[in-house]
Amino acid sequence: KQEVTQIPAALSVPEGENLVLNCSFTDSAIYNLQWFRQDPGKGLTSLLLIQSSQREQTSGRLNASLDKSSGRSTLYIAASQPGDSATYLCAVGGNKLVFGAGTILRVKS
Amino acid sequence: EAQVTQNPRYLITVTGKKLTVTCSQNMNHEYMSWYRQDPGLGLRQIYYSMNVEVTDKGDVPEGYKVSRKEKRNFPLILESPSPNQTSLYFCASSFSGGSPVQYFGAGTRLSVL
Repeated sequence: KQEVTQIPAALSVPEGENLVLNCSFTDSAIYNLQWFRQDPGKGLTSLLLIQSSQREQTSGRLNASLDKSSGRSTLYIAASQPGDSATYLCAVGGNKLVFGAGTILRVKS
Repeated sequence: EAQVTQNPRYLITVTGKKLTVTCSQNMNHEYMSWYRQDPGLGLRQIYYSMNVEVTDKGDVPEGYKVSRKEKRNFPLILESPSPNQTSLYFCASSFSGGSPVQYFGAGTRLSVL
């Protein structure tokens, strides 16, 4: 059974800092990996999708990498801003997604 | 505007009183799914539907029912709610096959007393 773990559970950084969120999964036979952002009282917003054949995806200040062999993904956020404060969720699979518990990020101004 | 709409957003009910949470999408997506989110556990899939009249169990289906009579709608039914079903529920949809990106509703916070 696939299990997804996210470290750290919570992170607080000053504005402008570069940061890395980690995601690990137990079964490397995945179709893709997605990073989501969740704001309080709102649904999930898909940030980046990495297909199983890809190594990384970039969108603006966000870069996500995927290493299937080691069962790991990282989400790199450059020059963090207070507006980046949210919960970040990692999910693996395809149509059926298995989620990690999330990392709560707070960027202080 | 492309969206997934859930209703109600908040619901407080009592044990045993049947309830339905509605979900509707306007993107002509074939695939729809329900998740529940609990602290420290992340999101867990309850049921999913690959198309009209095609539904299947996810990881935590006990105590829930779904139906998919129309492509756009995927209601979640709790026939006899219990306190352990107190949770935050999300509906999601996507195109099957080539586009696995899922679009999520805003969530329904359910409290069962």
